[in-house]
Amino acid sequence: SQTIHQWPATLVQPVGSPLSLECTVEGTSNPNLYWYRQAAGRGLQLLFYSVGIGQISSEVPQNLSASRPQDRQFILSSKKLLLSDSGFYLCAWSSTVQGGYTFGSGTRLTVV
Amino acid sequence: DAKTTQPTSMDCAEGRAANLPCNHSTISGNEYVYWYRQIHSQGPQYIIHGLKNNETNEMASLIITEDRKSSTLILPHATLRDTAVYYCIARSEKLVFGKGTKLTVNP
Repeated sequence: SQTIHQWPATLVQPVGSPLSLECTVEGTSNPNLYWYRQAAGRGLQLLFYSVGIGQISSEVPQNLSASRPQDRQFILSSKKLLLSDSGFYLCAWSSTVQGGYTFGSGTRLTVV
Repeated sequence: DAKTTQPTSMDCAEGRAANLPCNHSTISGNEYVYWYRQIHSQGPQYIIHGLKNNETNEMASLIITEDRKSSTLILPHATLRDTAVYYCIARSEKLVFGKGTKLTVNP
């Protein structure tokens, strides 16, 4: 069966520090991968999605970037965190862009 | 993707059916209606989806009107664990979330 892993579960980082969140999927090949963010009291915002290795599409301009170095690995990064980067970050995968999404358990990031 | 409109919040008594409405009057022919829910501090969970016909699974039933301009998610016997934000999404490609309906199941 397919599983999705996200870590860490919680993270507290100072302003200006770098960020790297990792997401991996097991039990499938060539998944579509997504990064979402949910700011406190706000809705889920799609940040990036990828349909293949090295293929990244950005939905909104921001202080973040994404990379897909391997088929089942999706990384969310920042060189310098801002206070506004705080939020709940969720990774998801689907077998097709139109198919159902399975979400990871999320990373709660607090930038201080 | 078509815009959806949902009530901000709803209440339901435990053991009763919860009927969550969704308006998607601008939905196009190739857009499916998806329902997800998000329990506090967790990732969204897939519930059900449909195109034209009504659908039922172990979690819920989805009733889509004949003109496809609206739908209703039915949780037949709501429990306290069904308290969550429920998202109705009309989509053809990527999953774009709106604000959803905050359902509170009361004892």
